[in-house]
Amino acid sequence: DTEVTQTPKHLVMGMTNKKSLKCEQHMGHRAMYWYKQKAKKPPELMFVYSYEKLSINESVPSRFSPECPNSSLLNLHLHALQPEDSALYLCASSPTGSEKLFFGSGTQLSVL
Amino acid sequence: ILNVEQSPQSLHVQEGDSTNFTCSFPSSNFYALHWYRWETAKSPEALFVMTLNGDEKKKGRISATLNTKEGYSYLYIKGSQPEDSATYLCARDHNDYKLSFGAGTTVTVRA
Repeated sequence: DTEVTQTPKHLVMGMTNKKSLKCEQHMGHRAMYWYKQKAKKPPELMFVYSYEKLSINESVPSRFSPECPNSSLLNLHLHALQPEDSALYLCASSPTGSEKLFFGSGTQLSVL
Repeated sequence: ILNVEQSPQSLHVQEGDSTNFTCSFPSSNFYALHWYRWETAKSPEALFVMTLNGDEKKKGRISATLNTKEGYSYLYIKGSQPEDSATYLCARDHNDYKLSFGAGTTVTVRA
């Protein structure tokens, strides 16, 4: 199994809602990532978990809260988002750092 | 994080023709360069991870070269097919879990 599975594929939420994005991989990878991509722009790194510990937070606003419950799962909890947070959120994993990334197909998020 | 530039932003190529496009990056403190192919409604898929100056990698009809001294990489598609239609992303690897991505080159192959 070389897949990274993301759910949901699409999400529409209001600015007062709380929602979560989920990401799962069963390749035994020890690094997991959240990226954000706006249309026609490069993917931007948000968070990195290494061996289930948060190792990088790229100054992401606290309305985004990552969680890594175990080595196969990565969540991104969303609360009080703004319309400008609407974007494609990509999850990725790698065996360790500095190796090729395996991506999920993303969650397209719209904040109304 | 340093800027990675890709050109052109998009291109159209006739089926059977060959094409190439560029990824430019700051050459200082180079560690590695990644190429990914991203088909519509699918996941980005790794094509190559390149580390050595002068390196050339090949996967089927797709190949890439790397010049770390001048800070560029070319990706070539030989004999383009409709299934090559995708956005091709390059990313500079900083050896600390961080990749700096370019905005991509979107290739459309016309039958």
